[in-house]
Amino acid sequence: AQTVTQSQPEMSVQEAETVTLSCTYDTSENNYYLFWYKQPPSRQMILVIRQEAYKQQNATENRFSVNFQKAAKSFSLKISDSQLGDTAMYFCAFMKMNRDDKIIFGKGTRLHILP
Amino acid sequence: GAVVSQHPSWVICKSGTSVKIECRSLDFQATTMFWYRQFPKQSLMLMATSNEGSKATYEQGVEKDKFLINHASLTLSTLTVTSAHPEDSSFYICSARVVPVRDEQFFGPGTRLTVL
Repeated sequence: AQTVTQSQPEMSVQEAETVTLSCTYDTSENNYYLFWYKQPPSRQMILVIRQEAYKQQNATENRFSVNFQKAAKSFSLKISDSQLGDTAMYFCAFMKMNRDDKIIFGKGTRLHILP
Repeated sequence: GAVVSQHPSWVICKSGTSVKIECRSLDFQATTMFWYRQFPKQSLMLMATSNEGSKATYEQGVEKDKFLINHASLTLSTLTVTSAHPEDSSFYICSARVVPVRDEQFFGPGTRLTVL
């Protein structure tokens, strides 16, 4: 069975700073996806970034980037130049590369960006 | 982009009544939809996987007779909470998978259920 662990329940950083959210996972699969989802107070789940396990290059989306370490089963999210709108719950998630397979979420990290 | 809607966005009902929540993919066809439950300050917990035209697959510990799921078309799945009780109060979120294969799920805005 797959598991996703986020060891930081809550974090706070000053606006414009850089923050890194940690995530580790456990799987015996070789082909899979990893995601970071953002859930703001509206509760709408928003995909921040995704990484295919077969890709060595770390995914980047504007201010968001990941550090994917496949051997260590680590998938951290770095948010650069943090903004007040980044305040949200962030979930790390795993999904096997299978058409009908499900997403497994970590417990989440609540991120507060302070003015 | 791919949009998923849920209706209603919130509902309050009396204990013992049944509540139906709809999940629609608005601009794409979804062969697979997923239903999650999220308690306050907790993560999303998958309840069931719904495939169009077939019976839903429930996760362990989820009562299939209590949480009835119907996926009658490629754009609509419904979750009916039967004989709801206060402990069923939660935030219910659906997601839909894009067809053809694109390994990404799009989430609905969620439905807040409060059972009095």
